[in-house]
Amino acid sequence: DAGVIQSPRHEVTEMGQEVTLRCKPISGHNSLFWYRQTMMRGLELLIYFNNNVPIDDSGMPEDRFSAKMPNASFSTLKIQPSEPRDSAVYFCASSLTGAKGNGYTFGSGTRLTVV
Amino acid sequence: AQSVTQPDIHITVSEGASLELRCNYSYGATPYLFWYVQSPGQGLQLLLKYFSGDTLVQGIKGFEAEFKRSQSSFNLRKPSVHWSDAAEYFCAVGLSGNTPLVFGKGTRLSVIA
Repeated sequence: DAGVIQSPRHEVTEMGQEVTLRCKPISGHNSLFWYRQTMMRGLELLIYFNNNVPIDDSGMPEDRFSAKMPNASFSTLKIQPSEPRDSAVYFCASSLTGAKGNGYTFGSGTRLTVV
Repeated sequence: AQSVTQPDIHITVSEGASLELRCNYSYGATPYLFWYVQSPGQGLQLLLKYFSGDTLVQGIKGFEAEFKRSQSSFNLRKPSVHWSDAAEYFCAVGLSGNTPLVFGKGTRLSVIA
């Protein structure tokens, strides 16, 4: 199993540009989570999906942020327009409902820098 | 709402010494409990987890953790630290496999010779 795959690993963009982060969860997992990590705020949940349906997006900071999960094997997090304060590491994680043995698996993250 | 407290922001230990990282949680029921490790520039790797049963759980890399219900704690331990253990350690709690984990702020571990 390749684990949770995120792309790109690093993204540098100019303020005002659109940024799209991508995530491929582990095959068979039915929950997907997007987190943001900063020095000041630690790991924050942005949004999560169960069976491709968004359940809680209360952590999405502003309307500039949006996330989709069109199918069980792919999710995107989009920031439009991006701002310097969006600079952070964004993690995607997936899990399987009721799977006590699997826990939650995280991707390697996307380090976003907005200049 | 559930919360996780890791009281120690930074800990320094000598190589070969024992280690204990503290974690306390606030939750209405016994949640699922996790410890993750993050090396610089890397993602989060699961060290161990507790769901039920034996309150002492063994993980990878020689780590173990003990769940103490009366203290709402899930402290991470290692009897002899190696230089490669230097990293950030996160305690997390969750309800089930389809609800988000709530993370503590993390404890940065430094290992000196």
